[in-house]
Amino acid sequence: QITLKESGPTLVKPTQTLTLTCTFSGFSLSTSGVGVGWIRQPPGKALEWLAVIYWDDDKRYSPSLKSRLTITKDTSKNQVVLTMTNMDPVDTATYYCAQKYGSGRGSWFDPWGQGTLVTVSS
Amino acid sequence: DIQMTQSPSSLSASVGDRVTITCRASQSISIYLNWFQHNPGTAPKLLIYAASSLQSGVPSRFSGSGSGTDFTLTISSLQPEDFATYYCQQSYDSPTFGQGTKVEIK
Repeated sequence: QITLKESGPTLVKPTQTLTLTCTFSGFSLSTSGVGVGWIRQPPGKALEWLAVIYWDDDKRYSPSLKSRLTITKDTSKNQVVLTMTNMDPVDTATYYCAQKYGSGRGSWFDPWGQGTLVTVSS
Repeated sequence: DIQMTQSPSSLSASVGDRVTITCRASQSISIYLNWFQHNPGTAPKLLIYAASSLQSGVPSRFSGSGSGTDFTLTISSLQPEDFATYYCQQSYDSPTFGQGTKVEIK
């Protein structure tokens, strides 16, 4: 059974850096074809893809947020870490991590974690 | 970015109804379209991948169709556990999602 769980601060101040950790089980990020991605959902708004990292350390970022994001993996700990710099109240959202199946056009996120709500406020 | 537009944004339906949700891409995405179901406080769930392939474990009352720019998710007979928000997502380019369709009880 594959599970993923997000962890990190629930509250950050504007201009601070957010660090979120995705801890997963049931698969290895050293297996060919495997990826882990991050997606967020601001309250009352749509889902927004942020970043993905693959088994070969290939990394892809949302073009609109690329300058603020860094994604890394620790294969030995089964963890993926996302950092987002210069946080703003508009970044308030539930942040999800998910396994990425496939690395090309015929790919999808499944399964997902339960998400963690991050509020940006002074 | 490829923009994904869903319609309607919400709908009211009764148990047993046939429900159809539409997703339109701002450019052709071939069949690279996925559908998710989401309830507040839970993990989004993949229903359909590659426009029409049913994810393992998903009930057969869910089906997807379409290619190019126009896609459809159909629930053949709505069940109580199907009241949720549904999202389409394209995987042709950097992933983008539709704004969601909330299916509510009539």
